[in-house]
Amino acid sequence: SQQGEEDPQALSIQEGENATMNCSYKTSINNLQWYRQNSGRGLVHLILIRSNEREKHSGRLRVTLDTSKKSSSLLITASRAADTASYFCATDKTGGSYIPTFGRGTSLIVHP
Amino acid sequence: EAGVTQSPTHLIKTRGQQATLRCSPISGHTSVYWYQQALGLGLQFLLWYDEGEERNRGNFPPRFSGRQFPNYSSELNVNALELEDSALYLCASSLEYRGETQYFGPGTRLLVL
Repeated sequence: SQQGEEDPQALSIQEGENATMNCSYKTSINNLQWYRQNSGRGLVHLILIRSNEREKHSGRLRVTLDTSKKSSSLLITASRAADTASYFCATDKTGGSYIPTFGRGTSLIVHP
Repeated sequence: EAGVTQSPTHLIKTRGQQATLRCSPISGHTSVYWYQQALGLGLQFLLWYDEGEERNRGNFPPRFSGRQFPNYSSELNVNALELEDSALYLCASSLEYRGETQYFGPGTRLLVL
């Protein structure tokens, strides 16, 4: 089974609204990353948060990490049609092989 | 600076044939990773190469193999193709061994008929 699982599977919002997607994982991690994928193309790295960090910001993106709940959230504020994509979380397990484990993604559609 | 490149962009094969996919990492990156993204299954880790050596392998049969060349580019070979091998194959590179952030190429879409 996947280490990281995103929720919801799909999200449809209007431009200007905020989008929140969540990632839950099973084992202790060194870090968690969020990636974006536009319509079956390559993934683009968005943000990395380490296990000793609780929140990070990058432009309109805000990521939180709660290691006690083994969960992370990605908030996109003031969404734009160009934010339409699939979003994946990837976890690097503690004591693992340094291979990030990806979830199945959240498909975000932002309507203009 | 050029990103990760992959070729071909699309590949159509029939069952039983062999497929070869190619990847060129970002200049200066020594690690190359291969992933399979089948519909609805997310990214599944296939192989990791660093400095010409296979460092790790995902849960895939031996007919999935590859290699990394002295210039750090890489090939993924899939022998005896099966219908379920149809997927997007993504290559990623990172700056160093156990690099935290991976940079992905656009992928090769393989269709097995």
